[in-house]
Amino acid sequence: EAGVAQSPRYKIIEKRQSVAFWCNPISGHATLYWYQQILGQGPKLLIQFQNNGVVDDSQLPKDRFSAERLKGVDSTLKIQPAKLEDSAVYLCASSSLPSETQYFGPGTRLLVL
Amino acid sequence: AQSVTQLDSQVPVFEEAPVELRCNYSSSVSVYLFWYVQYPNQGLQLLLKYLSGSTLVKGINGFEAEFNKSQTSFHLRKPSVHISDTAEYFCAVRSQGGSEKLVFGKGTKLTVNP
Repeated sequence: EAGVAQSPRYKIIEKRQSVAFWCNPISGHATLYWYQQILGQGPKLLIQFQNNGVVDDSQLPKDRFSAERLKGVDSTLKIQPAKLEDSAVYLCASSSLPSETQYFGPGTRLLVL
Repeated sequence: AQSVTQLDSQVPVFEEAPVELRCNYSSSVSVYLFWYVQYPNQGLQLLLKYLSGSTLVKGINGFEAEFNKSQTSFHLRKPSVHISDTAEYFCAVRSQGGSEKLVFGKGTKLTVNP
């Protein structure tokens, strides 16, 4: 069974630029999560999708971050414009149901200069 | 709301020694508890989870954890570590019912030295 795929693995941008990350969850998983992991901290949930609907985006900085999962499969997380404090690893995870185990992708490491 | 405290940010040990990584949580409702491991430049992998039943939970790679409700703890243990256990370990909590959101601790970096 293929795991959660993410791309790119690494990204370096200047502040005020925009960036997008892509996630392909495990086949058949209806629930998809985006986490932000700042160096030295645990992952923090940014947004949770159930199929193509948003379940929880309470910690998503909506003035600069957006995410979509249009067909209920792949998802894209965008930052526009980026700030220095957005430097982090962005992890995507999926589960068959919200109550089931979350499986994580390898993450995208973002550096904002 | 839930919170997780991992009491040690770094734990160095020698190979074949026992190790305990400590985790305490705070919650006003009943919770499920998890331990994840993160190897360098990789995503998180589930080690073990406590949902209900026996308070001693066995996971992969020889790890186990014990849920202690009175002390609100879920410490991770391994009787004999290997070099390959060097990684970051995260404790996480999720409320039973309501939000399915996982709340993570800050992590404990385990370094196993020869």
